[in-house]
Amino acid sequence: DIQMTQSPSSLSASVGDRVTITCRASQNIYMFLNWYQQKSGKAPKLLIYGASNLQTGVLPRFSGSGSGTDFTLTISSLQPEDFAIYYCQQSYSAPWTFGQGTKVEI
Amino acid sequence: EVQLVESGGGLVQPGRSLRLSCAASGFTFEDYAIHWVRQVPGKGLEWVCGISGNSANIVYADSVKGRFTISRDNAKNSVYLQMNSLREADMALYYCVKDLGPMVRAVILENWGQGTLVTVSS
Repeated sequence: DIQMTQSPSSLSASVGDRVTITCRASQNIYMFLNWYQQKSGKAPKLLIYGASNLQTGVLPRFSGSGSGTDFTLTISSLQPEDFAIYYCQQSYSAPWTFGQGTKVEI
Repeated sequence: EVQLVESGGGLVQPGRSLRLSCAASGFTFEDYAIHWVRQVPGKGLEWVCGISGNSANIVYADSVKGRFTISRDNAKNSVYLQMNSLREADMALYYCVKDLGPMVRAVILENWGQGTLVTVSS
């Protein structure tokens, strides 16, 4: 199975900050990497797919980059509604595995 | 608007069975793969299984292979998860999730239901 490791596990930031979350795969997954946002008590929401493609309806302050084994999710200017847990997920091969999550806190 | 509504969760004893259902609406159901993803409250996400739009392609996580069976009825816009020989480790919130595409391949989990809670305890 492909292991996905996110860093940091949690971070504290302020409104307006630029935030970067990293996801590392245990093997080359090319650009088969997706990002999700999960707010407290809610289902996850797809933000980015294929490493850098913004899902329809997601605001452009979210962006993704990377290929191979190293990927990043960037929030250019953190807004109050962005405080949540963010997960990466590889879509290269079954079983489709997730990172452990990064909690973005105030 | 895409909607996925799970049902069938509840309390069950270890070793017993449970059947989850997912009713879908707002899209052409047979054109998309559907998955089950579970989450222990307060913990991370685990992909469980997926079924292609035409049911020809089904994939399971090793943790449930041989115990869980996913199926779909395109006439009823529904997906089912038959869970047998349940263990305490299966206790979680189970989400029904629509894929971005028709196959269980390069899985992108586009739309999520609100989940149904499965509790396994004696």
